[in-house]
Amino acid sequence: QQQVKQSPQSLIVQKGGISIINCAYENTAFDYFPWYQQFPGKGPALLIAIRPDVSEKKEGRFTISFNKSAKQFSLHIMDSQPGDSATYFCAVPRGGGGADGLTFGKGTHLIIQP
Amino acid sequence: EAGVAQSPRYKIIEKRQSVAFWCNPISGHATLYWYQQILGQGPKLLIQFQNNGVVDDSQLPKDRFSAERLKGVDSTLKIQPAKLEDSAVYLCASSFGITIYFGEGSWLTVV
Repeated sequence: QQQVKQSPQSLIVQKGGISIINCAYENTAFDYFPWYQQFPGKGPALLIAIRPDVSEKKEGRFTISFNKSAKQFSLHIMDSQPGDSATYFCAVPRGGGGADGLTFGKGTHLIIQP
Repeated sequence: EAGVAQSPRYKIIEKRQSVAFWCNPISGHATLYWYQQILGQGPKLLIQFQNNGVVDDSQLPKDRFSAERLKGVDSTLKIQPAKLEDSAVYLCASSFGITIYFGEGSWLTVV
């Protein structure tokens, strides 16, 4: 059973600051590493994902950094805004080819203080 | 494009009663998943369908949970009899390719 360890469990950041969430995995047969964002009462929604032919991917204020040798990847939120307050989940593929669903971390509850 | 639809959104039942959740995936998505999300935890896969066939149900408690996907489109997840520890959000998701799209979930409280 794939293990995904996510940290921290909760995070409080001041508006305009940088939020950093980390994820470590044991192994994966398929290189695809997404981050999902979940607001209260809603389902998780894909925020950003990386396929490690690159070590970093940036979309607006959100950046994924990937370290294959360490089996870790992280989410950086630059210029954090109150609207970013949500729970964030990292995930890794459950099987080869990426068609077998995802195993999720336990989540990070992020609060951005105005 | 319409998203993944789920119903009911909220359900409260007594332990040992039964409950059923319905899911309509995004049109054209062959793969459908049911995830269980307990408060404060990440989603946990219960079952995965490819069209109307089961790909993986290794984490489905088969003594009380059942799921089907008739005609490869809609799906239902049933719990009978429910236990207190089944209180959770049941998330349906679908995919075509690698990206998984979730519905808003069905919130179950067992009292």
